[in-house]
Amino acid sequence: TQLLEQSPQFLSIQEGENLTVYCNSSSVFSSLQWYRQEPGEGPVLLVTVVTGGEVKKLKRLTFQFGDARKDSSLHITAAQPGDTGLYLCAGVSGGYNKLIFGAGTRLAVHP
Amino acid sequence: NAGVMQNPRHLVRRRGQEARLRCSPMKGHSHVYWYRQLPEEGLKFMVYLQKENIIDESGMPKERFSAEFPKEGPSILRIQQVVRGDSAAYFCASSPPDSEKLFFGSGTQLSVL
Repeated sequence: TQLLEQSPQFLSIQEGENLTVYCNSSSVFSSLQWYRQEPGEGPVLLVTVVTGGEVKKLKRLTFQFGDARKDSSLHITAAQPGDTGLYLCAGVSGGYNKLIFGAGTRLAVHP
Repeated sequence: NAGVMQNPRHLVRRRGQEARLRCSPMKGHSHVYWYRQLPEEGLKFMVYLQKENIIDESGMPKERFSAEFPKEGPSILRIQQVVRGDSAAYFCASSPPDSEKLFFGSGTQLSVL
């Protein structure tokens, strides 16, 4: 069974701080996606990483895919209250979007 | 272009009743996925459908659950004889063919009393 473990489970920080959340697995994925989910809404895709070692930047968010394509990290620089939400990683395995989701990191950024 | 539409947003059922959850994919999307999310957990894959075909239902319980995506109309996730353990948020997602991009609806929160 493929599993994705996310850490930390909860993170509470002050505005302006930097943070990193992690997504780890013992399985190899063809690609990995990061989503953000707000209460009462569905997840919204932030980025897809495909190549081992790949780094993608989305404004203050930096996503990295591990060389072996088993793990990924999300780094947020100078966090803002608008970054508050549940961050989910999801591994893609196989020929279609049967995603394996981690349990998520719940981030709270306080003004 | 409207997003993925799910209804109802909230559904309350008593044990033993049936629950019907509807999902209209984005225009041009022929692939529909259903996921279930329990409190404080990630989403769990249930079923993948294309028009009139179930492609993969490996994540769906063998009994009481069924899904369809007819030629015309929305995709339906049907849960018969609901039990308290079925209480969860059910999300539908759609994608165009040959794309890894999934677009999720806002979900249906099912509460079983």
